[in-house]
Amino acid sequence: DAKTTQPPSMDCAEGRAANLPCNHSTISGNEYVYWYRQIHSQGPQYIIHGLKNNETNEMASLIITEDRKSSTLILPHATLRDTAVYYCIVALWGNQFYFGTGTSLTVIP
Amino acid sequence: DAMVIQNPRYQVTQFGKPVTLSCSQTLNHNVMYWYQQKSSQAPKLLFHYYDKDFNNEADTPDNFQSRRPNTSFCFLDIRSPGLGDTAMYLCATSRGRDNQPQHFGDGTRLSIL
Repeated sequence: DAKTTQPPSMDCAEGRAANLPCNHSTISGNEYVYWYRQIHSQGPQYIIHGLKNNETNEMASLIITEDRKSSTLILPHATLRDTAVYYCIVALWGNQFYFGTGTSLTVIP
Repeated sequence: DAMVIQNPRYQVTQFGKPVTLSCSQTLNHNVMYWYQQKSSQAPKLLFHYYDKDFNNEADTPDNFQSRRPNTSFCFLDIRSPGLGDTAMYLCATSRGRDNQPQHFGDGTRLSIL
């Protein structure tokens, strides 16, 4: 079963930072936080993942709280192409994913 | 270049007529997964192969079977599809021995008529 809770929908103005929260209060010490997004009619696309430390790549930043019970995905300058459903997944490395309901992000011109 | 390839992208079949969906990968990953995604829902894991070891999820219907003849290919067989099996079927792969993420194909959209 999914171990994450996300708001069902969010809006963000184009060019602004999009901050997508995720609660994972039952995460265990060796479970990672993975973020994916899914644009209509495509497969989920990997964005970023982390264990404890904050992570950044060319797509996004991941901020994990010190107690690891929640995290935030940050898209620094949202574009219209970032409109998608964003999934936060908690999983042991190399293990199967159980998706939660995700957040539908709409970037508004 | 696509690394997880699913064929066909769209499949229409009749109620009760067996159907096979295919997935291939060029990543040489150990693990291959099948997910079912119904309209407006999140992907749901059906089963996965770690090398040749098959792992079924507890709530996957018996109607759904899978085969993995070699590292590169994995098949999803639906023996007697019902109307409720209309969905997108997603294949994914991972190395399985580190924290690297799963890679997904673009799915096969299956319609049962």
